[in-house]
Amino acid sequence: GAVVSQHPSWVICKSGTSVKIECRSLDFQATTMFWYRQFPKQSLMLMATSNEGSKATYEQGVEKDKFLINHASLTLSTLTVTSAHPEDSSFYICSAVAGGSTDTQYFGPGTRLTVL
Amino acid sequence: DAKTTQPNSMESNEEEPVHLPCNHSTISGTDYIHWYRQLPSQGPEYVIHGLTSNVNNRMASLAIAEDRKSSTLILHRATLRDAAVYYCILDNYGQNFVFGPGTRLSVLP
Repeated sequence: GAVVSQHPSWVICKSGTSVKIECRSLDFQATTMFWYRQFPKQSLMLMATSNEGSKATYEQGVEKDKFLINHASLTLSTLTVTSAHPEDSSFYICSAVAGGSTDTQYFGPGTRLTVL
Repeated sequence: DAKTTQPNSMESNEEEPVHLPCNHSTISGTDYIHWYRQLPSQGPEYVIHGLTSNVNNRMASLAIAEDRKSSTLILHRATLRDAAVYYCILDNYGQNFVFGPGTRLSVLP
């Protein structure tokens, strides 16, 4: 149980284009999903917290107009990187909270974005 | 957010037990202790979590100090597949996870 998927697993795009990444909770409903970014040899950095049906909360320094997050249902959140540039190349990971009192997060397998 | 401190790296021999320490001296009474691990190019994988009592599951055991200022993740028999970065994270319900650098565990055959 508690499986989270991401699609695509990797994507290569040209500078200036937009890329959408999907995060799905497959066997549970997730009221809250998180988006992280991880650069090579670094730890995960939280980008934003997404609650179903409401606007995402972005961490300081993360441009909300560049990283558009939509959490339209209890099983799907999307991250769109708009006008991507090479410095946006990174490993993007989502997680979902299954609920309960301990807030255990279940993570997706990640999406490797390369911007040329 | 309460901070955790972990050794940067550890080594273990295959089929031997591994004890991964974590210090969290500023832990609050309602903080849960979570452990995750991350293999290369994968998302973090949940390992175990606890509040006050020691916990066991099929993957590992979590030993929590009586004052809760430290904890130890125990892998009873390390395998090559256990080589990963292990993260100790404090979570107060409703707040965000803060990932530190973690401990890179190497398992030697």
